[in-house]
Amino acid sequence: SQQGEEDPQALSIQEGENATMNCSYKTSINNLQWYRQNSGRGLVHLILIRSNEREKHSGRLRVTLDTSKKSSSLLITASRAADTASYFCATEPMEYGNKLVFGAGTILRVKS
Amino acid sequence: DTGVSQNPRHKITKRGQNVTFRCDPISEHNRLYWYRQTLGQGPEFLTYFQNEAQLEKSRLLSDRFSAERPKGSFSTLEIQRTEQGDSAMYLCASSWTDGYTFGSGTRLTVV
Repeated sequence: SQQGEEDPQALSIQEGENATMNCSYKTSINNLQWYRQNSGRGLVHLILIRSNEREKHSGRLRVTLDTSKKSSSLLITASRAADTASYFCATEPMEYGNKLVFGAGTILRVKS
Repeated sequence: DTGVSQNPRHKITKRGQNVTFRCDPISEHNRLYWYRQTLGQGPEFLTYFQNEAQLEKSRLLSDRFSAERPKGSFSTLEIQRTEQGDSAMYLCASSWTDGYTFGSGTRLTVV
């Protein structure tokens, strides 16, 4: 079963705009990770945030984590057409140890 | 190439046939995972190895599925008597500490 839910399911924006995707999960976690997947391809690791962290940046990416609300958000600033992809949040649940539990993903389309 | 390598990239098979996929992880990574992803969904955990030991298997992994990781290096995932419901992308990932590196996947189509 999948632990996380991403919101929205799909997002369409113009190049240059910011894109925000949200993720909610159900159980206590060790960390939360965001991945990108281009159509029909493997997953690319974007960023990892630990349960004791609240915010993390990597280039144009900003991730926040609110463990009290069991939610995270991924912000992509100044989006580009090349950012078009599916984005998944994945949690490493504290109960299960070493494995990732994924949400269903957000499909992002950036129009040029 | 120091990434996770999966072969084949695509496999089309007739229902009832057996198929085997291979994953070559990053050599320093002691943990190896198999996930399955169907269209429009996120990947679902199938099984996990630490070195050569298979430490966990999902209930999704029916008795038609078997995975091995001899000598703690590459891994194989075999599906016996394939069914149309087995059609999916099969993803392999390896890990050392926190980070996971995924391969490009094997897309299985059962006709």
